[in-house]
Amino acid sequence: DAGVIQSPRHEVTEMGQEVTLRCKPISGHDYLFWYRQTMMRGLELLIYFNNNVPIDDSGMPEDRFSAKMPNASFSTLKIQPSEPRDSAVYFCASKGWGRGRNTEAFFGQGTRLTVV
Amino acid sequence: GENVEQHPSTLSVQEGDSAVIKCTYSDSASNYFPWYKQELGKRPQLIIDIRSNVGEKKDQRIAVTLNKTAKHFSLHITETQPEDSAVYFCAAPKAAGNKLTFGGGTRVLVKP
Repeated sequence: DAGVIQSPRHEVTEMGQEVTLRCKPISGHDYLFWYRQTMMRGLELLIYFNNNVPIDDSGMPEDRFSAKMPNASFSTLKIQPSEPRDSAVYFCASKGWGRGRNTEAFFGQGTRLTVV
Repeated sequence: GENVEQHPSTLSVQEGDSAVIKCTYSDSASNYFPWYKQELGKRPQLIIDIRSNVGEKKDQRIAVTLNKTAKHFSLHITETQPEDSAVYFCAAPKAAGNKLTFGGGTRVLVKP
């Protein structure tokens, strides 16, 4: 397996534009997480899905952020409209639930978003 | 929700010395405690984890200890090397859930 795949790796956009980040989890994993990482706030959990269903979106900063998981192999995080303070590295991670126990989460390489 | 606090936020050690990072958690039902390492510009990766049925686990130069009564667990790195320089994150997801939230991170610098 190629691991968790995120695209694009880098994104530079102008304030007010819509930004869509993409993630392909590891096949067979039934949990998918979206994180935002900044120097000031560390690694923040934005939202996570189980079997394509959003379970907890309490970390989503505001209505400008939305996330979807239309099927088991694809998820998107959308920011509309984008603002300079959204500049960060966004990570997607996936994990399974092995034999009723918590297991390792695998991270994608991240998308570095810069909003100017 | 789960609250995980991590200390210290930065740690500078001389090569060859030991480094210890501590995390405390609030949910007494938590039973899985992973540690992730993130090198500069890279993704976080699991380096070691422990389940609540054991008090200590070792893997070469790294070890994790767990004190369920006090609700804290620690990462120990012995004989530190420059390649140990990174940011380390702990987590303590709820027992029956999979909400994976992390501590604030510890930036470790190993000086040659």
